[in-house]
Amino acid sequence: ETGVTQSPTHLIKTRGQQVTLRCSSQSGHNTVSWYQQALGQGPQFIFQYYREEENGRGNFPPRFSGLQFPNYSSELNVNALELDDSALYLCASSILARGDTQYFGPGTRLTVL
Amino acid sequence: DAKTTQPNSMESNEEEPVHLPCNHSTISGTDYIHWYRQLPSQGPEYVIHGLTSNVNNRMASLAIAEDRKSSTLILHRATLRDAAVYYCILHPTETSYDKVIFGPGTSLSVIP
Repeated sequence: ETGVTQSPTHLIKTRGQQVTLRCSSQSGHNTVSWYQQALGQGPQFIFQYYREEENGRGNFPPRFSGLQFPNYSSELNVNALELDDSALYLCASSILARGDTQYFGPGTRLTVL
Repeated sequence: DAKTTQPNSMESNEEEPVHLPCNHSTISGTDYIHWYRQLPSQGPEYVIHGLTSNVNNRMASLAIAEDRKSSTLILHRATLRDAAVYYCILHPTETSYDKVIFGPGTSLSVIP
């Protein structure tokens, strides 16, 4: 069973640029969620996709957007990068069910200069 | 949105049991209690979850108070590999994770 993978591992961008982060879900999972984790903080929910549709969104502006593909892989896009966007971005896959467990990837460390 | 509170940090000696507490006084009747841990430079890892009854698995045990307003994660014999940040979160029954809130968690140090 393949776990959740993310790419790239690290990324450096400058303010105002756009970035795309990628996630490959665990086999058999139909839901992917994206989280932002600032240093020393717990992960913050950005949004969730279920069967290619957004199925819940946290308190993040529209410049954070996403996609889920038929093979359940996913992308997180961030436009007009700001310095505060520097963080670890985590994706988590699951089988959407009440109280179900999420399986997290190792994350992408984004630095915005 | 239901939140949890945990101590910022705890210490344990290697091979001794560790009890990590979590308060969730505003828990609703159908919220699941989940525990995850995050090792340095890794994503969070599922540990255990429960609803009302105590739960055991190969990693840990979860003790849930009768009124469900608190729970305790029990590591039976701490090892150096258990040094991590432990998160206690509530999973509502709605089919979206937008109400799942991770706090700063408890940073567990294990002393050899």
